[in-house]
Amino acid sequence: SQKIEQNSEALNIQEGKTATLTCNYTNYSPAYLQWYRQDPGRGPVFLLLIRENEKEKRKERLKVTFDTTLKQSLFHITASQPADSATYLCALPTSGTYKYIFGTGTRLKVLA
Amino acid sequence: DGGITQSPKYLFRKEGQNVTLSCEQNLNHDAMYWYRQDPGQGLRLIYYSQIVNDFQKGDIAEGYSVSREKKESFPLTVTSAQKNPTAFYLCATSTGFNTEAFFGQGTRLTVV
Repeated sequence: SQKIEQNSEALNIQEGKTATLTCNYTNYSPAYLQWYRQDPGRGPVFLLLIRENEKEKRKERLKVTFDTTLKQSLFHITASQPADSATYLCALPTSGTYKYIFGTGTRLKVLA
Repeated sequence: DGGITQSPKYLFRKEGQNVTLSCEQNLNHDAMYWYRQDPGQGLRLIYYSQIVNDFQKGDIAEGYSVSREKKESFPLTVTSAQKNPTAFYLCATSTGFNTEAFFGQGTRLTVV
């Protein structure tokens, strides 16, 4: 069955450094992949979508890569700030439906 | 003001009672979803609907029921058959394929 894996351990980094989060998937060939941010007690908020024919996508301090051979996406936050502290989720669509599957998320804490 | 409204924000239920969570949207999106999130875990899909008067089971549909009589509304009923209903419930919408999901602010259900 389709499976998405994100590092469940929290990631702590110093302010100003680059945070890198990983999303791996198996038994699956998605047409695109998404990243969301979730703050405690709130619903996730969409950040970026990257398609299978795109290797990299950027939005301000965010960068996402998509390696369909490795079945992996990397999510980078450059010049990280304490306000970037949150849980980051990756999500994949199921072929032929509107159904999304979410990873468990990685909690990021940026230390001042 | 466009968006997704989930109500109530907090809900307490006695064991053995059914309870209905509301989700209303004015984004004119075709697809609507219900997810459950447990502490420290990712989102698990309960039900989704791609069009009015049609809905599909997700990964954890047992003990839940939904209806989609109007495009704007997708209520979720947590029945007494759900063995462990205490969780954070999130409603989401999307326009369809290759698009992001928009989430409501969630309803936290506690069984007392």
